[in-house]
Amino acid sequence: AQKITQTQPGMFVQEKEAVTLDCTYDTSDPSYGLFWYKQPSSGEMIFLIYQGSYDQQNATEGRYSLNFQKARKSANLVISASQLGDSAMYFCAMREGGSEKLVFGKGTKLTVNP
Amino acid sequence: DGGITQSPKYLFRKEGQNVTLSCEQNLNHDAMYWYRQDPGQGLRLIYYSQIVNDFQKGDIAEGYSVSREKKESFPLTVTSAQKNPTAFYLCASSISLTWGAEAFFGQGTRLTVV
Repeated sequence: AQKITQTQPGMFVQEKEAVTLDCTYDTSDPSYGLFWYKQPSSGEMIFLIYQGSYDQQNATEGRYSLNFQKARKSANLVISASQLGDSAMYFCAMREGGSEKLVFGKGTKLTVNP
Repeated sequence: DGGITQSPKYLFRKEGQNVTLSCEQNLNHDAMYWYRQDPGQGLRLIYYSQIVNDFQKGDIAEGYSVSREKKESFPLTVTSAQKNPTAFYLCASSISLTWGAEAFFGQGTRLTVV
């Protein structure tokens, strides 16, 4: 069964510094996609970045990058130059290739300090 | 504007009553999802649907029911059998049969049972 683990309930970072949010996953399907979402206090879910299991390079989207280590089954999100607006919950998610099932981790609450 | 609409935003019900949460999308997506979010639990999958007139149980389907009679609609009924229904409910949709497609979310419905 597919599973997502986020081991950091909360993280703190100073404004303008980089921060890494951890995500490990478990699947026996060679085809899968990994996603990161941001949830501000308003409750909306904002898609940030995607990494496919066959992608050779780590995904990047502006200040967001995904540190994909396939052998370790990890897909950590790196946020560079943190901003106060980055304070939010961050969720890692996975969908296996043979299924529509999209499962999420428990999330990490990021707080950016001025 | 294309998107997903959940209504109502806030819902109050008495214990023992069934309640139906609405989810409508105009993105022409085949796949739709219902998640429940509790503090510290992340998003847990209740039901998902890959196509009209078909749906599958997620990880916490007990006490819930869904229907998918139209492509754009995926209502969720919280029945009296659900022991702890008070939670934040999120509906999502995505392109089907594409593990790399991100899910788009509605604004959520906060259900309180008293």
